[in-house]
Amino acid sequence: NAGVTQTPKFQVLKTGQSMTLQCAQDMNHNSMYWYRQDPGMGLRLIYYSASEGTTDKGEVPNGYNVSRLNKREFSLRLESAAPSQTSVYFCAESREINTGELFFGEGSRLTVL
Amino acid sequence: DAKTTQPTSMDCAEGRAANLPCNHSTISGNEYVYWYRQIHSQGPQYIIHGLKNNETNEMASLIITEDRKSSTLILPHATLRDTAVYYCIVRVFYGQNFVFGPGTRLSVLP
Repeated sequence: NAGVTQTPKFQVLKTGQSMTLQCAQDMNHNSMYWYRQDPGMGLRLIYYSASEGTTDKGEVPNGYNVSRLNKREFSLRLESAAPSQTSVYFCAESREINTGELFFGEGSRLTVL
Repeated sequence: DAKTTQPTSMDCAEGRAANLPCNHSTISGNEYVYWYRQIHSQGPQYIIHGLKNNETNEMASLIITEDRKSSTLILPHATLRDTAVYYCIVRVFYGQNFVFGPGTRLSVLP
């Protein structure tokens, strides 16, 4: 997973606070994704970006915003954090949109009190 | 997307082959079978994918039945480091987003 870097790795927020999760990839690929994973469950897609300058909603976009800053970077913002957003967040990227192989980062563990 | 069914958990002895089944009885003709795994709490890792022929790479083999309604991921000589959750996903190659279900939790035992 060396090609996808997420920061921060851990974060604790209070309800109503805002924060941004950062993701950067060094593989020069076009597409990037944000997933969340709740305990004992599979991953759910929040937002994705097929290419620089475009973003689209995934399965669970409510409460989040994203920015595809450039080809390398895709950030996820929580404007007003809620306890239901306590989760592990994974950034991923692929050569093109929805091609067969996704490369994931190590995850960012967020707790909202 | 076609849905998949996997056992919740499996055990395998270290050094033995681990055979992980996946049922995808409603798979369409243009849908591929993908396998990913997630070790502990790391990000998922791509393992292998196939359409209808059996596939092998340095990590695993994928056996797809002739009617394509089920498949088996084979780890030929499981090690303790193969303990992970394994996800079977079906989708078209350039298609919808990946949908990760709960997967199979494989425990490799010493």
